[in-house]
Amino acid sequence: NAGVTQTPKFRILKIGQSMTLQCTQDMNHNYMYWYRQDPGMGLKLIYYSVGAGITDKGEVPNGYNVSRSTTEDFPLRLELAAPSQTSVYFCASSQGTGELFFGEGSRLTVL
Amino acid sequence: KNQVEQSPQSLIILEGKNCTLQCNYTVSPFSNLRWYKQDTGRGPVSLTIMTFSENTKSNGRYTATLDADTKQSSLHITASQLSDSASYICVVSGRVGGATNKLIFGTGTLLAVQP
Repeated sequence: NAGVTQTPKFRILKIGQSMTLQCTQDMNHNYMYWYRQDPGMGLKLIYYSVGAGITDKGEVPNGYNVSRSTTEDFPLRLELAAPSQTSVYFCASSQGTGELFFGEGSRLTVL
Repeated sequence: KNQVEQSPQSLIILEGKNCTLQCNYTVSPFSNLRWYKQDTGRGPVSLTIMTFSENTKSNGRYTATLDADTKQSSLHITASQLSDSASYICVVSGRVGGATNKLIFGTGTLLAVQP
């Protein structure tokens, strides 16, 4: 039981490039989330999903897209990367609105 | 505005000592309050979840208290160990902007335990 797995752990992008952060969970959780964590700030919700085929925007969705084709996977796509997207990204899952289980994070730098 | 404020921002204590971290919130109505531990470079890990009807909950050397009337919570760490060095994040779940069970994250208290 690996929990929530994120890849890659680190990535450097140039301005304007695109990339996908991968997230998979093996706990059969229905809820999945993407957060970003900036220095000195609380985690901010980017997108979330309450089940396969259902996604919704969080607090800071601009510049990102998600999909949820299976229960296990919830990739986050960055289109046209900007320096403001430099952050640490965390994927999380939960069964309903219960305890959140986080991945180890993906540190992204946009130069 | 719904907010979660934690204090102190950072704290240094000696190994073996106790400490208490504070969390004040203005989220209303309130569903539950959670404490997470985040080691440097790792994802947050849940310590406790408390509903409005619970006023104390323990997880080993960690004890969380909740006063829903004053909208305050504390996390008490007993007999600290070097491995307790981490950021402790308070998270409040409530109805915000029409959305139920929205999670509001505090900015965390950074604890350093020194030998």
